Amino acid sequence: QQQVKQSPQSLIVQKGGISIINCAYENTAFDYFPWYQQFPGKGPALLIAIRPDVSEKKEGRFTISFNKSAKQFSLHIMDSQPGDSATYFCAANGGSQGNLIFGKGTKLSVKP
Amino acid sequence: EPEVTQTPSHQVTQMGQEVILRCVPISNHLYFYWYRQILGQKVEFLVSFYNNEISEKSEIFDDQFSVERPDGSNFTLKIRSTKLEDSAMYFCASSPFGEGVGYEQYFGPGTRLTVT
Repeated sequence: QQQVKQSPQSLIVQKGGISIINCAYENTAFDYFPWYQQFPGKGPALLIAIRPDVSEKKEGRFTISFNKSAKQFSLHIMDSQPGDSATYFCAANGGSQGNLIFGKGTKLSVKP
Repeated sequence: EPEVTQTPSHQVTQMGQEVILRCVPISNHLYFYWYRQILGQKVEFLVSFYNNEISEKSEIFDDQFSVERPDGSNFTLKIRSTKLEDSAMYFCASSPFGEGVGYEQYFGPGTRLTVT
């Protein structure tokens, strides 16, 4: 019940295309859902986050769609660029002190 | 822009030795965390720290691990007797978390620990 399931494991997209990464959770007590971007050898960088009281949040080319009833949320990267090539992790706050539970990650490759 | 810093960037140690990983969280943040990431795997929560004491810890954070905030800026993770399976990237994170503020956690660049 404390897991966050992420798919796909890897994704190849052409430059200019839309990248979509999906996550699902079980615990309805989760109330904060961030996405992190990680480049090789670097720490995860907070990209965008959403609370369950909204169904969508957009920041630039990045959009989170949230479906509370299905307990699913997804990251959409519009106009994907080679510089977006990285590993993306979804997460949810799993404890009362805000500790995050991460998905297994999606390695995105954007081909020129 | 404020950021979390960690030292060293890479630590090599022999099995059974003690290591201390250091972090300087963002200065006005209240909550501090340690996570680890074994190569190619997901990021896993170890421990959270607030008001000079452990708030929560995971099953991974056993008696070999300890955390400390020795002064107003540093936050350390100590592994008393390292094992081969402790080899991983260790990330420190900090958050302003609290009533009326966000849950956002900001991660440092990590310390790669290699136990031989």
